[in-house]
Amino acid sequence: EVQLVESGGGLVQPGGSLRLSCAASGFTFTSYTMTWVRQAPGKGLEWVSMIRGSDGDTYYADSVKGRFTISRDNSKNTLYLQLNSLRAEDTAVYYCAKGVSSYSRTCFDCWGQGTLVTVSS
Amino acid sequence: DIVMTQSPDSLAVSLGERATISCKSSQSILYSSDNKNYLAWYQQKPGQPPKLLIYWASTRESGVPDRFSGSGSGTDFTLTISSLQAEDVAVYYCQQYYTPPLAFGPGTQVDIK
Repeated sequence: EVQLVESGGGLVQPGGSLRLSCAASGFTFTSYTMTWVRQAPGKGLEWVSMIRGSDGDTYYADSVKGRFTISRDNSKNTLYLQLNSLRAEDTAVYYCAKGVSSYSRTCFDCWGQGTLVTVSS
Repeated sequence: DIVMTQSPDSLAVSLGERATISCKSSQSILYSSDNKNYLAWYQQKPGQPPKLLIYWASTRESGVPDRFSGSGSGTDFTLTISSLQAEDVAVYYCQQYYTPPLAFGPGTQVDIK
């Protein structure tokens, strides 16, 4: 059974940093593109970042480019999102999700339960 | 960047009746090399992560009831729930995966009338 378990969320002050983790199991981690999607309280889904399974290429939404960094440790079957220079508008539940392919043109068939990031002083 | 829009923002449908949601992309998401539309639909119930319902605009994910169907091509797409059940109350999102940055529509809330 595919499982994705996020961790690392919490309360952080504006300008601070956090690192989110997503532990994956039940599938060959290296074979799939992985993504982070966030959802601000009461709002819709916002795609944040993606790392391609085929070659590790990374992609970012303009709203986080230069502040967030996605990475993966294939030896630990873990996806990461480093969040720097956090702003109030980054407050959201952050979901990791598994792509259906190893390419960037992929939708996402399995999602974690999410981890809440709150940016506030 | 491709922008996704959905209509309506919300709708209420009687049990057993049809629900129809529209999704439009700001440019075509039909890839000519494989003749596939890079459009997915997700369902999100309160307190839960999204669930993939449909991909390639019209292919149902395994285990999704056949009352859910997707149609459309190019820039205009539709999700239809043929006979609304109580468990279908949720927000529905379309998503383009034709090219990064990937984008979701703003969502459509479906309720029981």
